[in-house]
Amino acid sequence: DGGITQSPKYLFRKEGQNVTLSCEQNLNHDAMYWYRQDPGQGLRLIYYSQIVNDFQKGDIAEGYSVSREKKESFPLTVTSAQKNPTAFYLCASSAKEGFDGELFFGEGSRLTVL
Amino acid sequence: GDSVTQMEGPVTLSEEAFLTINCTYTATGYPSLFWYVQYPGEGLQLLLKATKADDKGSNKGFEATYRKETTSFHLEKGSVQVSDSAVYFCALSTSGTYKYIFGTGTRLKVLA
Repeated sequence: DGGITQSPKYLFRKEGQNVTLSCEQNLNHDAMYWYRQDPGQGLRLIYYSQIVNDFQKGDIAEGYSVSREKKESFPLTVTSAQKNPTAFYLCASSAKEGFDGELFFGEGSRLTVL
Repeated sequence: GDSVTQMEGPVTLSEEAFLTINCTYTATGYPSLFWYVQYPGEGLQLLLKATKADDKGSNKGFEATYRKETTSFHLEKGSVQVSDSAVYFCALSTSGTYKYIFGTGTRLKVLA
């Protein structure tokens, strides 16, 4: 079955550590996205990528980094520079950007800083 | 800039009650409009969508009509079930951009 796989589902981090969240899709989608979800704040865009080897900052990119070396993979690194990283992280992809394009989501990764 | 405003929750209903979750939008272009649903501990799933004015999206008994004159896309269901308990997000996407703008979500709780 086609879809988006995020791992790990739960992750605990000590302060000062970098962690990487994995996102893999087998939908052959060009565009991939990372969102952060906090209670009562909806979804906020961290980074997005429209094609391989290219990505752009979203609304809250500070303290995060990404890479897009393969079409199917878009890992997110939460660095120690991110001051409040405890959140639910969602990866998504779409077949075409913008108009009429449905976003497909993974099941999310919950990061907790100890 | 573009934005989506949806009613705050939580919304608590008894089973078989009528549901309305309001959503209004502001957009400079001609957006597509979406409703996504999120069940506990999961990602978002597309519930329904509409791509032009007066279109009606429908799925699983839920409906929403794209009203350009009132810039609204309210979600309705005639008879809710306990299994409909979830968080519902209204969203828009504008042609030619990468951006999907989400509302803050409305939590629905349906009691048996």
